Amino acid sequence: DAGVTQSPTHLIKTRGQQVTLRCSPKSGHDTVSWYQQALGQGPQFIFQYYEEEERQRGNFPDRFSGHQFPNYSSELNVNALLLGDSALYLCASSQPLTSGTGELFFGEGSRLTVL
Amino acid sequence: AQSVSQHNHHVILSEAASLELGCNYSYGGTVNLFWYVQYPGQHLQLLLKYFSGDPLVKGIKGFEAEFIKSKFSFNLRKPSVQWSDTAEYFCAVNAKAAGNKLTFGGGTRVLVKP
Repeated sequence: DAGVTQSPTHLIKTRGQQVTLRCSPKSGHDTVSWYQQALGQGPQFIFQYYEEEERQRGNFPDRFSGHQFPNYSSELNVNALLLGDSALYLCASSQPLTSGTGELFFGEGSRLTVL
Repeated sequence: AQSVSQHNHHVILSEAASLELGCNYSYGGTVNLFWYVQYPGQHLQLLLKYFSGDPLVKGIKGFEAEFIKSKFSFNLRKPSVQWSDTAEYFCAVNAKAAGNKLTFGGGTRVLVKP
């Protein structure tokens, strides 16, 4: 049973560019959340997708956007990259909100470096 | 909005020593509580969780945590650590009214010397 998979694992971009990160949830999970983990800090909630719609959003600017596909996989897009966007981006999946208990399963993350 | 604070940023101890990591949260409603661990080069893994019932919960690898509602605390303990417990530990809170959104503490980096 595959867990949460993310791609790419590492990438380097320059300021002003755009990036797309991808996530496939654990089998049986339909809810995907994205977190940003800056160096030396705990993960910060970006947003959550369920039934192909953004359901909750953290305190992140509109440059951060996402999408969920019918197969529950998800993308995180960041436009107009800033140096401060350098971080590990974590995808987490969970069971349906109606039956789940809040437990998240995390992928290994995509490490983004903005130069 | 909920917040989580972890008391120690770094902890260094020797094998067989006891470990206790503090975690306090601020939220007035009903919460689910978690401890996650991140071993070097690996993804976040769930150590243990509290949803309801017995406030003393046992997790994997000999870890346990106690929920003290009056103190808004959920401290993690292990009686005797091993070198393999070297990792970063994160406390997290999920307000039941907030769906599956987790709020994490800043993490505690634990180094166990052999």
